[in-house]
Amino acid sequence: GQNIDQPTEMTATEGAIVQINCTYQTSGFNGLFWYQQHAGEAPTFLSYNVLDGLEEKGRFSSFLSRSKGYSYLLLKELQMKDSASYLCAVRGHKFSGGYNKLIFGAGTRLAVHP
Amino acid sequence: DVKVTQSSRYLVKRTGEKVFLECVQDMDHENMFWYRQDPGLGLRLIYFSYDVKMKEKGDIPEGYSVSREKKERFSLILESASTNQTSMYLCASSTVGSSGTQETQYFGPGTRLLVL
Repeated sequence: GQNIDQPTEMTATEGAIVQINCTYQTSGFNGLFWYQQHAGEAPTFLSYNVLDGLEEKGRFSSFLSRSKGYSYLLLKELQMKDSASYLCAVRGHKFSGGYNKLIFGAGTRLAVHP
Repeated sequence: DVKVTQSSRYLVKRTGEKVFLECVQDMDHENMFWYRQDPGLGLRLIYFSYDVKMKEKGDIPEGYSVSREKKERFSLILESASTNQTSMYLCASSTVGSSGTQETQYFGPGTRLLVL
């Protein structure tokens, strides 16, 4: 089967660091995406990992271990505006049209408090 | 910037009605997608299109159909709306490329559909 697990909710304090974990079991792997989604808005792309290791992008970093089926999103110097849901998505097997299907986790709702 | 627009932000329909949700993207993307998003379930793929007039079923196509007559436009049709189709519907588009980030999906703002 195909499964992506992330914690449902997390809370953190403004200025702190938070790590959101994602574990996956999918048929095929061609990369992992993280998206941010504010309440009532569209998901927006944050990061992409296809090789093992850490990708850093400003205050946000994403890590991947393919052998462990594991990724995390690290948010530093948290701001109130970081309160949102964070979606982990894995590119799995191909459709017949050649496109790799994207499988989403249910998302982690992060609340940042003053 | 990629722009994906959806015809309505909120929609209220009655059981049995035919419902059309429209999505337009302005970046000449080959791929377009329809998802529904429900609490605790995440985004689930309904249908996918990789070219004009081409479509593929996603994970939950039952009760839905799609139409792609022009490259920029992808429509989702609920032939006979039912209460279990009350949900947030998200459209997305992506280009085709050899590297992963070229296939990043860009989402529209969503349509919150309530079927009474």
